[in-house]
Amino acid sequence: DSGVTQTPKHLITATGQRVTLRCSPRSGDLSVYWYQQSLDQGLQFLIQYYNGEERAKGNILERFSAQQFPDLHSELNLSSLELGDSALYFCASSVGGDGGSYEQYFGPGTRLTVT
Amino acid sequence: GQQLNQSPQSMFIQEGEDVSMNCTSSSIFNTWLWYKQDPGEGPVLLIALYKAGELTSNGRLTAQFGTTRKDSFLNISASIPSDVGIYFCATSGTYKYIFGTGTRLKVLA
Repeated sequence: DSGVTQTPKHLITATGQRVTLRCSPRSGDLSVYWYQQSLDQGLQFLIQYYNGEERAKGNILERFSAQQFPDLHSELNLSSLELGDSALYFCASSVGGDGGSYEQYFGPGTRLTVT
Repeated sequence: GQQLNQSPQSMFIQEGEDVSMNCTSSSIFNTWLWYKQDPGEGPVLLIALYKAGELTSNGRLTAQFGTTRKDSFLNISASIPSDVGIYFCATSGTYKYIFGTGTRLKVLA
């Protein structure tokens, strides 16, 4: 158990809908990262938040947005969902994140299925 | 964009055999991380490398950060069935937090 929690574990929704994925980082970690993993693919970095502020942005679509709250949990919002958005979405956390490489600890993921 | 290429893509090995896989990049990085992912679960950090030429061990795992800082390898000695999974190398750079294409390992008992 990495200490990172994600909810829900599974989510099935229809095209055009909007969903919110939630992540709680390990105790003491200030950074939260979101990744997308499509079937049998590698991990694509979406976005990072550090202590409530956006720190780095990867290949995140404009239909997706995220935020990190004062208690450091984070939410990833996916809107106008398309079939191609079906994937595993992982959250990771690390102690630092203000530059450099930090060891990231991953949650169990949310499997999103868009029908 | 920046990319990490892993080889081999997949491999079948017999239980007890040693395994070697590597990760290469066209860019220089200052950190290399190795993760293992079991099906349907999140990646788990195995080894972190912060110094070029550094050789680091974690049980049966050994990893090294190449002196060119453009590559890294991971060795697993005396493989066991629970070594099955996908192994990813990772690093950070301008495009932030890049993961390799993965090496899928299957162990035959």
